[in-house]
Amino acid sequence: DAGVTQSPTHLIKTRGQQVTLRCSPKSGHDTVSWYQQALGQGPQFIFQYYEEEERQRGNFPDRFSGHQFPNYSSELNVNALLLGDSALYLCASSLGGDRGLSPLHFGNGTRLTVT
Amino acid sequence: DAKTTQPTSMDCAEGRAANLPCNHSTISGNEYVYWYRQIHSQGPQYIIHGLKNNETNEMASLIITEDRKSSTLILPHATLRDTAVYYCIVRVYRGSGGSNYKLTFGKGTLLTVNP
Repeated sequence: DAGVTQSPTHLIKTRGQQVTLRCSPKSGHDTVSWYQQALGQGPQFIFQYYEEEERQRGNFPDRFSGHQFPNYSSELNVNALLLGDSALYLCASSLGGDRGLSPLHFGNGTRLTVT
Repeated sequence: DAKTTQPTSMDCAEGRAANLPCNHSTISGNEYVYWYRQIHSQGPQYIIHGLKNNETNEMASLIITEDRKSSTLILPHATLRDTAVYYCIVRVYRGSGGSNYKLTFGKGTLLTVNP
């Protein structure tokens, strides 16, 4: 039973560029959340997708956007990259809807470096 | 969501019980206590959660005080592989369709298990 998978594992981009990160949820899960983790800090919530819609959003600018596909996989897009966007980006999946307290299962993340 | 307070770091001898405390004095009646851990270079891993009763699973036990203002995660026989950052998180449950997927991570407790 595959867990949450993220790609790529590492990425180097230049300031001003755009990046797309991908996530496949754990088998049977239908909800995907994205988190940003700066070095030495705990993960910070970016947004959550359920039924192909953004349902909840953290305190991140519009440069951060996402998408969920019919197969429940998800993408995180970041435009106009800043040096401060360098971080580990984590995807988490869970069961949504009325199954509200389903624990989140995290992938091992994509390490993004902006130079 | 309620804020949590944890010690920055703790040490434990291999084979002994590790007791990790967490204060959540402003917790509300519909907020659950969750514990996750993050081993270096990996995504956070779900450990256990509870509302007001003590809980036990194959990984750990969770003891919540009667007033719910604090809790303790217990790893009964710590091993070197339990060295990780442990996060105590309060997660609100708002019922059908309004579940909160925004986990607010602090800096957690770095548990070091020594041989």
